[in-house]
Amino acid sequence: KAGVTQTPRYLIKTRGQQVTLSCSPISGHRSVSWYQQTPGQGLQFLFEYFSETQRNKGNFPGRFSGRQFSNSRSEMNVSTLELGDSALYLCASSLLPDTQYFGPGTRLTVL
Amino acid sequence: DAKTTQPNSMESNEEEPVHLPCNHSTISGTDYIHWYRQLPSQGPEYVIHGLTSNVNNRMASLAIAEDRKSSTLILHRATLRDAAVYYCILRYPGNTPLVFGKGTRLSVIA
Repeated sequence: KAGVTQTPRYLIKTRGQQVTLSCSPISGHRSVSWYQQTPGQGLQFLFEYFSETQRNKGNFPGRFSGRQFSNSRSEMNVSTLELGDSALYLCASSLLPDTQYFGPGTRLTVL
Repeated sequence: DAKTTQPNSMESNEEEPVHLPCNHSTISGTDYIHWYRQLPSQGPEYVIHGLTSNVNNRMASLAIAEDRKSSTLILHRATLRDAAVYYCILRYPGNTPLVFGKGTRLSVIA
């Protein structure tokens, strides 16, 4: 079974731009979560979607948003990029509440 | 969220057992203890989880203290591929988010 895939793997943007990251969960998984990882703050939860509905949300500004499609694929969007948004963005999918399976991440660099 | 405390780093020789400790003195009765690890340049990977009893799987064993205020992840024979950051996470049942701390960076020496 294919794992969680994230596209693109690397991205360079400039301040003020917006970006959309994509995540395809493991087949059959309906829950998708997003995390941000930076050297300073570590791994932080952004939001979780289940059956196209946002079920949980972390403590991030409204510039960070997401959505989930009927096929469980998910996208997250960051508008008006800031230098501090440079990070590894990780997506995780789960079938049962116990275990999350992470993708390799998208490395976003904001210049 | 209940907090966990882990050593910043540990070192092990290859093919020797490794015991990674985690303290969680404020754990609630319903919190599960989860362990994930993150290898270099990869996303986190699930290792094991438990509630009260010790647990074993193909990757590791989890030993949980009787009062549940601490636990230990045991890698029975460390290999170079086990070098990673290991995270001990307390998680309320259900689809609650994973709250990662700083974890323990394990180095394995050949």
